[in-house]
Amino acid sequence: EVQLVQSGAEVREPGESLKISCKTSRYSFNSYWIGWVRQKPGKGLEWMGIIYPDDSDTRYSPSLQGQVTISADKSISTAYLQWGSLQASDTAMYYCARLRGSYPVSAFEIWGQGTMVTVSS
Amino acid sequence: SYVLTQSPSVSVAPGQTARITCGGDNIAMKTVHWYQQKPGQAPVLVVYDDRNRPSGIPDRFSGSNSGNTATLTISRVEAGDEADYYCQVWDSTSDQGVFGTGTMVSLL
Repeated sequence: EVQLVQSGAEVREPGESLKISCKTSRYSFNSYWIGWVRQKPGKGLEWMGIIYPDDSDTRYSPSLQGQVTISADKSISTAYLQWGSLQASDTAMYYCARLRGSYPVSAFEIWGQGTMVTVSS
Repeated sequence: SYVLTQSPSVSVAPGQTARITCGGDNIAMKTVHWYQQKPGQAPVLVVYDDRNRPSGIPDRFSGSNSGNTATLTISRVEAGDEADYYCQVWDSTSDQGVFGTGTMVSLL
């Protein structure tokens, strides 16, 4: 069974940096796009970006480009989402999810359990 | 960027049919996916590529896509179908994915 296991909840202060992870198993990590979805408290799903681990081709939501960095480590089949300087507005649940196929048009087929990030002074 | 519009809520009696719509400019030219999200849980894919169901999803869930509207239909609605539902597409013009605003399905 394909699995995506995300790192645990985080609490940070504004201005701090953070990197959360999504450890995958039981499939060929290099061959599927994997992405991140944000959900602010009480709000809907927001597409953040995706990466193709084989060549690190990355697509970002224009509204988030420059605010976050998506990366992948093929050696340990893990994807990452990182911030250089967190803001209170980054408080949200973050889900990683693997796409069903090898094209960005594919659906998010397998989801991680989510990582809650709280930014507060 | 591309916008997907959903009705905020749909109420349906048990055993009846719920239809959840997702509006977008000429959405028929795009590939639509649908997700179910229950409170406190990660989303689950229920329909992909307009009308296909992943393994394990009951055939009560079906999808269609035409003109400016994609539709997720839930037949013989059960209590366990109460959830938020989101449509999603890939917008090749802006090179990004887009989620709809979400629809909460509740039972009467």
